[in-house]
Amino acid sequence: GENVEQHPSTLSVQEGDSAVIKCTYSDSASNYFPWYKQELGKRPQLIIDIRSNVGEKKDQRIAVTLNKTAKHFSLHITETQPEDSAVYFCAARTGDNTGKLIFGQGTTLQVKP
Amino acid sequence: EADIYQTPRYLVIGTGKKITLECSQTMGHDKMYWYQQDPGMELHLIHYSYGVNSTEKGDLSSESTVSRIRTEHFPLTLESARPSHTSQYLCASSGGAGGYTFGSGTRLTVV
Repeated sequence: GENVEQHPSTLSVQEGDSAVIKCTYSDSASNYFPWYKQELGKRPQLIIDIRSNVGEKKDQRIAVTLNKTAKHFSLHITETQPEDSAVYFCAARTGDNTGKLIFGQGTTLQVKP
Repeated sequence: EADIYQTPRYLVIGTGKKITLECSQTMGHDKMYWYQQDPGMELHLIHYSYGVNSTEKGDLSSESTVSRIRTEHFPLTLESARPSHTSQYLCASSGGAGGYTFGSGTRLTVV
């Protein structure tokens, strides 16, 4: 079945450094790739998404890149701050009409002050 | 405010009890989903619905059942709770074109 692999599982950076999280997906028909941030004890929140007709999207300090040929997409956070510490999930929408998202395993990001 | 609401927020219940976790959304979304998640860990799809009177099982085997009688309401029922059901249950909805909006979750403990 469809699968999304996410790496690394944990990531620790110093405040001000950049952080990169990578995901690969298996369903070549996937066309929508959101990223969620989940702070401790809270619900996952959509932070950025990208559709298959673009290769890159940026929103202030966060950006996402997509390589459809390689079935690979990444989240980039620049100038990290302690409030960026959270669990981040990538996802790929399945190519059928269900709207289902297949989630990666999650990355715990720790930003050290 | 349009959102998705889950109740209760926390629930501690004895083994063998029947429970229903409530989920309602006011966004008019057709698609709704239930995920099981241990804190900070993977999200596992257990049920989903395309619309009224449509329900499907997800990727993770679950002893729960769901119903979708109204667009806005998607409750999840456990007929006989067991300690292995202890987890967080997240409800989500989607309008189809974008991502999900998640509820705040129900943290279930079965003793």
